[in-house]
Amino acid sequence: AQTVTQSQPEMSVQEAETVTLSCTYDTSENNYYLFWYKQPPSRQMILVIRQEAYKQQNATENRFSVNFQKAAKSFSLKISDSQLGDTAMYFCAIRGGSTLGRLYFGRGTQLTVWP
Amino acid sequence: NAGVTQTPKFRVLKTGQSMTLLCAQDMNHEYMYWYRQDPGMGLRLIHYSVGEGTTAKGEVPDGYNVSRLKKQNFLLGLESAAPSQTSVYFCASSTPGREPAYEQYFGPGTRLTVT
Repeated sequence: AQTVTQSQPEMSVQEAETVTLSCTYDTSENNYYLFWYKQPPSRQMILVIRQEAYKQQNATENRFSVNFQKAAKSFSLKISDSQLGDTAMYFCAIRGGSTLGRLYFGRGTQLTVWP
Repeated sequence: NAGVTQTPKFRVLKTGQSMTLLCAQDMNHEYMYWYRQDPGMGLRLIHYSVGEGTTAKGEVPDGYNVSRLKKQNFLLGLESAAPSQTSVYFCASSTPGREPAYEQYFGPGTRLTVT
């Protein structure tokens, strides 16, 4: 079984500042993948960043980066230079290597970026 | 490419009515999934399919049926709708193989209200 916990239901940040969203997970698999998805008010699910568990290097995508702590089962998302368009619900998700692509999601963190 | 499309985008049903949600993808993906999203719950897997003619249960399958008669289509049926099925439904597709293996592409969602 796989579970994902996001302990921050809501967060806010001022434009141009940096914010970190927390995620912890549990899995019995050795091979797995972690994801952060963004869901703006349009409702569309947008993949922000992906991390393979076997890679030690933290993934980065432009202003988005992760802090992957495998031993602690932690996978936080850092957004630098926050923009108004970053306002959205953010979901952390995990997929095991043997689960036929099934994703398990956390409950989400609503991020609001203020001007 | 349209990617993943869902029909309809919105629907209101009365308790006991039936309906079918249609998901279509034009990426030749093998795997397809149906999720539901409820406030504060993240996305939960209802049913999924790993190929034409195959289906399997996810986390919350009760009250739903699915069919995958054609590779590009995945139908989600509600035989007798209940207010507890009021939710936003997302379809997604992915394909096995090398990286980015199993990356899921999401449709725009269907908002269903059961009164």
